[in-house]
Amino acid sequence: GQQLNQSPQSMFIQEGEDVSMNCTSSSIFNTWLWYKQDPGEGPVLLIALYKAGELTSNGRLTAQFGITRKDSFLNISASIPSDVGIYFCAGQGDSGYSTLTFGKGTMLLVSP
Amino acid sequence: AAGVIQSPRHLIKEKRETATLKCYPIPRHDTVYWYQQGPGQDPQFLISFYEKMQSDKGSIPDRFSAQQFSDYHSELNMSSLELGDSALYFCASSYNRQLVYGYTFGSGTRLTVV
Repeated sequence: GQQLNQSPQSMFIQEGEDVSMNCTSSSIFNTWLWYKQDPGEGPVLLIALYKAGELTSNGRLTAQFGITRKDSFLNISASIPSDVGIYFCAGQGDSGYSTLTFGKGTMLLVSP
Repeated sequence: AAGVIQSPRHLIKEKRETATLKCYPIPRHDTVYWYQQGPGQDPQFLISFYEKMQSDKGSIPDRFSAQQFSDYHSELNMSSLELGDSALYFCASSYNRQLVYGYTFGSGTRLTVV
């Protein structure tokens, strides 16, 4: 099946720093989504990308759909303590209507 | 805005028992997806339904079954529970199997099998 490689696995940063994480795949995805998950809660959608090359922002978050359709990155600028959580990339490819393949997640810790 | 509602939030069952998880999609969403997330793992797709018919099937064990009802809510039935079934089970919903109209997850059901 399709797989997503997400990196880094975890990050520990100081408040105010910028953060970057990415996902890559050996196969093409048609849609990329970035989610944030707090412990014991469901993933919350941050940004959705539908076209290759698309660059989208949501407040301090910016994400891009790679031109090859095999990768995506998420940047968080000026991090704050409430950014703490696990960030997942998810892709929709050829595995079925709207079923998502998730990356392994990036755990972000922000020190005040 | 209304979100995806899952019940119960927490469930404790013994081995070999059965469990039923419920999912109520966002109003007017006709597609429901079930995911399983083990401890420290990423969500894994189990099964989906569109207009009350099974749409796609992922890594759902044969001991599990699911259906979507006329009001579009869905139930995941799990039988002969095993310790390894302990996980967070998420439901997501969308409209017309399309991501562009939104793909929202519920808060999940935490199943613990003892």
